[in-house]
Amino acid sequence: DGGITQSPKYLFRKEGQNVTLSCEQNLNHDAMYWYRQDPGQGLRLIYYSQIVNDFQKGDIAEGYSVSREKKESFPLTVTSAQKNPTAFYLCACGTSGTDTQYFGPGTRLTVL
Amino acid sequence: QQQVKQSPQSLIVQKGGISIINCAYENTAFDYFPWYQQFPGKGPALLIAIRPDVSEKKEGRFTISFNKSAKQFSLHIMDSQPGDSATYFCAASMNSGGSNYKLTFGKGTLLTVNP
Repeated sequence: DGGITQSPKYLFRKEGQNVTLSCEQNLNHDAMYWYRQDPGQGLRLIYYSQIVNDFQKGDIAEGYSVSREKKESFPLTVTSAQKNPTAFYLCACGTSGTDTQYFGPGTRLTVL
Repeated sequence: QQQVKQSPQSLIVQKGGISIINCAYENTAFDYFPWYQQFPGKGPALLIAIRPDVSEKKEGRFTISFNKSAKQFSLHIMDSQPGDSATYFCAASMNSGGSNYKLTFGKGTLLTVNP
């Protein structure tokens, strides 16, 4: 976990509602990532950002949106367009131009 | 298309035994192969990593063996302990353009070490 935090730890949402997951890091890393983890599925990349005010879609970006207004912050919004949002969401960061990524503690989102 | 295949899905080992988890990849452009350890309800933590210019890397009880020609790599945990019980993920990375590096993960192996 170290210098990367995610909040809240648990989040419940009603169908049709948007919800925003927070990710903050004080490691001075340029690159930040969002992954989704489902049982038996490994980690799948949603969005990533190498620099402030720039981000790219990952493998499963549909139904999600992000912003990168500050180097330290990379919030993820799960929109009502995401058909199966219940999952464990992981944020990671790393130094731009390197492979190593460090993960936060995760947010478990449950849609009621 | 699954680019990194991990096996087995689950593994039960006795305390003091050797745990072996295998991964195979398809894309020869991959050039960084990390292993992550994840405890329930926590984020993955980097355990050990290797690059294709070496065939083996050892850190304490953890060893990565890498076979470039076979496009396979494995994690060996020597003298396995109950505290090693966790889910282990292999991954592979390549430069996707400029300074962008993306990790592709295997589906994970749930390791249980019995006392």
